[in-house]
Amino acid sequence: QVQLQQWGAGLLKPSETLSLTCAVYGGSFSAYYWSWIRQSPGKGLEWIGEINHSGSTNDNPSLKSRVTISIDTSKNQFSLKLSSVTAADTALYYCARGFTVTKLGHYYYGMDVWGQGTTVIVSS
Amino acid sequence: DIQMTQSPSSLSASVGDRVTIACRASQSISNYLNWYQQKPGKAPKLLIYAASSLQAGVPLRFSGSGSGTDFTLTISSLQPEDFATYYCQQSYSTPRTFGQGTKVEIK
Repeated sequence: QVQLQQWGAGLLKPSETLSLTCAVYGGSFSAYYWSWIRQSPGKGLEWIGEINHSGSTNDNPSLKSRVTISIDTSKNQFSLKLSSVTAADTALYYCARGFTVTKLGHYYYGMDVWGQGTTVIVSS
Repeated sequence: DIQMTQSPSSLSASVGDRVTIACRASQSISNYLNWYQQKPGKAPKLLIYAASSLQAGVPLRFSGSGSGTDFTLTISSLQPEDFATYYCQQSYSTPRTFGQGTKVEIK
């Protein structure tokens, strides 16, 4: 049974850097994408970005290059850094595992295992 | 970015009802569409991927259909544990955008 456990600072001041880490227990690390998603009352679910085991990343351009996602395969962990936070970054942050399935030559993607979530509040 | 729009935003239904939730993409996404269920205080749970493929362990009363820009999630007979918020998500391209959610409430 794969589990994701995440942690990080929950209270930040404006302009600081958000830092979260997610550890993967009980499954393969190399065959998946490792993702970050956040959820706020005003914006619903927002996909932040993802990384694969090779370190290749995709992120959301709406976050204006403030995002860094990294991976440590020796520890089965991946991390999120979001720089220059503002109150608009206040949200519940989730890590998740992204899988791909091949059907009729097409690659389909879904997020099937999620962390427990970390509430991050940005306030002066 | 591809915009995902769900309707309705909320609905009230009774146990045993057939429930349908719609999701529309701002451009064609073929069948690169996922559905998630989220209960209060919990992370989202994947129900359906590739528009109509049931994720392992998900009850057969859940089904998905559609292709192109219009998609539907159907619950054939609503059960008490199905009262939750449902989200669609496109996996056609990054950023992998979500719909705004549909809250299914008890009538």
